[in-house]
Amino acid sequence: QSALTQPPSVSGSPGQSVTISCTGTSSDVGSYNRVSWYQQPPGTAPKLVIYEVTNRPSGVPDRFSGSKSGNTASLTISGLQAEDEADYYCSSYTSSSTLVFGGGTKLTVL
Amino acid sequence: QVHLVESGGGVVQPGGSLRLSCAASGFTFSSYGMHWVRQAPGKGLEWVAFIRYDGSNKYFADSVKGRFTISRDNSKNTLYLQMNSLRAEDTAVYYCAKDVNMIRGVTPDYWGQGTLVTVSS
Repeated sequence: QSALTQPPSVSGSPGQSVTISCTGTSSDVGSYNRVSWYQQPPGTAPKLVIYEVTNRPSGVPDRFSGSKSGNTASLTISGLQAEDEADYYCSSYTSSSTLVFGGGTKLTVL
Repeated sequence: QVHLVESGGGVVQPGGSLRLSCAASGFTFSSYGMHWVRQAPGKGLEWVAFIRYDGSNKYFADSVKGRFTISRDNSKNTLYLQMNSLRAEDTAVYYCAKDVNMIRGVTPDYWGQGTLVTVSS
């Protein structure tokens, strides 16, 4: 049950796009389209922004998009806004019927 | 709307026990699987446990297996986490979360605000 691998930090200026990667193994990300992404501003609970690799829950702006290739999933945020500054976590269902999270990525909007 | 409220956190000595509760409302609790996820101070999210909609199957992270138990009372719309043999490394905010699925813990979609557990002498 090793954590999925995410970059510790990414940054971008308002209006730009950023991409956060999430690398797992053939036992999790590579085998299931059950990758989710969560946004967590400081001091708050996580909020689901992407599920099943590419789907956005109701109310999440279409600036948020997801993709997957092999064992690596990605979250792209386009048209960056100051309110996007937060920690982002990926998660994946695993072959052990468990869930695994990434280590988290801090997004800074410059 | 979906509302999850955790309670039962506090300070406990190493080796001690604590039971967390999560009161659910705004959805048909008995139709969804439920998770516990924790976050140590300044650290990332760590999945802890999942229970199916009817309590028939339970899954645990290796770090808590044999020490923690997850259960639910669908008549009370409440989820529980019984934590025994607590260690300093169990110190964290514990979140309960609803899954989109009834049988497999694939996607926690709604989260509570969390309850802090501190293991310290």
